[in-house]
Amino acid sequence: EAGVVQSPRYKIIEKKQPVAFWCNPISGHNTLYWYRQNLGQGPELLIRYENEEAVDDSQLPKDRFSAERLKGVDSTLKIQPAELGDSAVYLCASSPGPLREQYFGPGTRLTVT
Amino acid sequence: AQSVAQPEDQVNVAEGNPLTVKCTYSVSGNPYLFWYVQYPNRGLQFLLKYITGDNLVKGSYGFEAEFNKSQTSFHLKKPSALVSDSALYFCAVRGGASSSNTGKLIFGQGTTLQVKP
Repeated sequence: EAGVVQSPRYKIIEKKQPVAFWCNPISGHNTLYWYRQNLGQGPELLIRYENEEAVDDSQLPKDRFSAERLKGVDSTLKIQPAELGDSAVYLCASSPGPLREQYFGPGTRLTVT
Repeated sequence: AQSVAQPEDQVNVAEGNPLTVKCTYSVSGNPYLFWYVQYPNRGLQFLLKYITGDNLVKGSYGFEAEFNKSQTSFHLKKPSALVSDSALYFCAVRGGASSSNTGKLIFGQGTTLQVKP
């Protein structure tokens, strides 16, 4: 069974530029999560989807971050414009449901210069 | 509010010795507790979970964890450490089904485990 797929694995951009991350969850997993992991810290939830509905986006900085999960499968997380403080690893995870264990992708390491 | 504390930034242990990585939590309602491991440049891998039942939970790669409700702890243990166990370990907590935080995992800061030959 394929795991959670994320791309790109690494991204370097200049501040004020836009960037997008893509995630393909494990087949059949209705719940999808985006986390941000700063260096030396644990992941922090940005947004959670149940199918195509965002059910928890309270931690998403909505002035510059946006996400979508059209058709309830793949998801895209976008930052526009990026700031220096956005440098982090962005992790996507999926689970069969909100009360089940989450399976993480390898992450996208973003560096904003 | 939910929170998780991992009091040790790093744990050093010799190969073959038992290891313990500590975790304490705070959550309203019954806790759902998890341990994940992260290898360099890799995503987090699920090790084990506690939801209900036996306080000693067995997981992947020979790891186990002991849930202690009175001490609000969920320490990760392994009887005999391997060099390949060296990695970053995260404890996480989620509120139970009745919690308003259903589905939201709160992670600790992580503990680096270093197993020396």
